[in-house]
This record gives sequence, C-alpha cells and structure tokens, in this order.
Amino acid sequence: IAGITQAPTSQILAAGRRMTLRCTQDMRHNAMYWYRQDLGLGLRLIHYSNTAGTTGKGEVPDGYSVSRANTDDFPLTLASAVPSQTSVYFCASSDSTNTEAFFGQGTRLTVV
Amino acid sequence: GQNIDQPTEMTATEGAIVQINCTYQTSGFNGLFWYQQHAGEAPTFLSYNVLDGLEEKGRFSSFLSRSKGYSYLLLKELQMKDSASYLCAVRDKDYQLIWGAGTKLIIKP
Repeated sequence: IAGITQAPTSQILAAGRRMTLRCTQDMRHNAMYWYRQDLGLGLRLIHYSNTAGTTGKGEVPDGYSVSRANTDDFPLTLASAVPSQTSVYFCASSDSTNTEAFFGQGTRLTVV
Repeated sequence: GQNIDQPTEMTATEGAIVQINCTYQTSGFNGLFWYQQHAGEAPTFLSYNVLDGLEEKGRFSSFLSRSKGYSYLLLKELQMKDSASYLCAVRDKDYQLIWGAGTKLIIKP
C-alpha cells in the first residue's frame, strides 16, 4: 500500500512558468490538503478538499489553484511561479475532517 | 488571530525524559495533535487529545488542558532516533488544522 504519493520529489522552476504538483492517495480518504512548509514557520494550509468535487481556500491560497475531480487525486497548480513560492509542499489526506492526517513525502520547489 | 506557541529548540540526553510544551489560542477547539518530523521527511502522527488529561502510548505521552489552552508531549527513555522536530496542531471550529512552527529536539549521547 503506497498511502499518499507526491510528484515530483523536487523541482527547480523558472519564474513565470506554470507548474502542477501531483498528489495521489490510495486510502479512499475523503479529505485532502495542500500545505507549504517554510523554515521557522508552521505548516500553512494552501487549499483543501473535504470531499471529491469540492475545494476550499486555506490560509495562503493566492497564486495557487486546485481541483478534485475524483477521490484519489488532488493536484496543485502554480499558474505563474514567483520566487516567494520557493518552499516544501506537502499533500495530506484524512478519512474525515476530525481524524489524523497522513502526509506525502513532500515536493521541494525552488523558483529562480 | 489564531496562534500556536512551542519552543523553537530543546536539547536532552539519551535515556532521559523531556517535556515539550504547546500553548494555543484558536477560534474553537476540536482536538489537538502531535506529529513527529525527521529532517527532510514528512510529518507522522504521534497522538491526539480531545478531552482533558493524559494519553499514554508507549514511551510517548500527551497531556491536554482545554481551560488553560495547554498541552505537552512527554518523551521517556530518549533514544537517538527521537532527534526530530515535534509539531503541535489544533483543529479549530471549522475543523481546520492550525500548526505550530515545531520544536527541534536534539538528543545528545
């Protein structure tokens, strides 16, 4: 059982380029989340989805978009990358909104 | 605003006991989580408290006082592999997780 898988593991991206970070889970969890983690700061929620077909904005949504066409996949798109989006991105899922979250291995993104 | 406070860094000795504190101010409360995160890896779930009191799970215990907005994670019989960051997170009234910045625990022989 893979759990939750992110791709790519790391990426160097030119500013202004479009990029989609992929996230797939095989646990049939309803809720999925995208976080960014920056040194000295806690995990910050970018977007979330409580169930397939619905999405919501988190604490830092600007410059990012998501879709949830099915239960398993929750891609995160940067429409036009900027250097401030350099970060480690974690995708997570949970069975419901009040159970523990399971995290993917993260994507280290550098925007230059 | 919502806020989770925990110490930035702590140092302890192998075999000893360490307590990592977390205080929170959030819009509502629907549970508190502790996660462990080794450098360069994903956070992994350690414990969950929703009622006041102590939850024990092997060498790790977590305590909650909702009236004080306070929790701690207690690690006993420390091992070198316990060197990691420990993240405190609270579910608010909207069931969103609010995260602390994490406590980096350094274990010395």
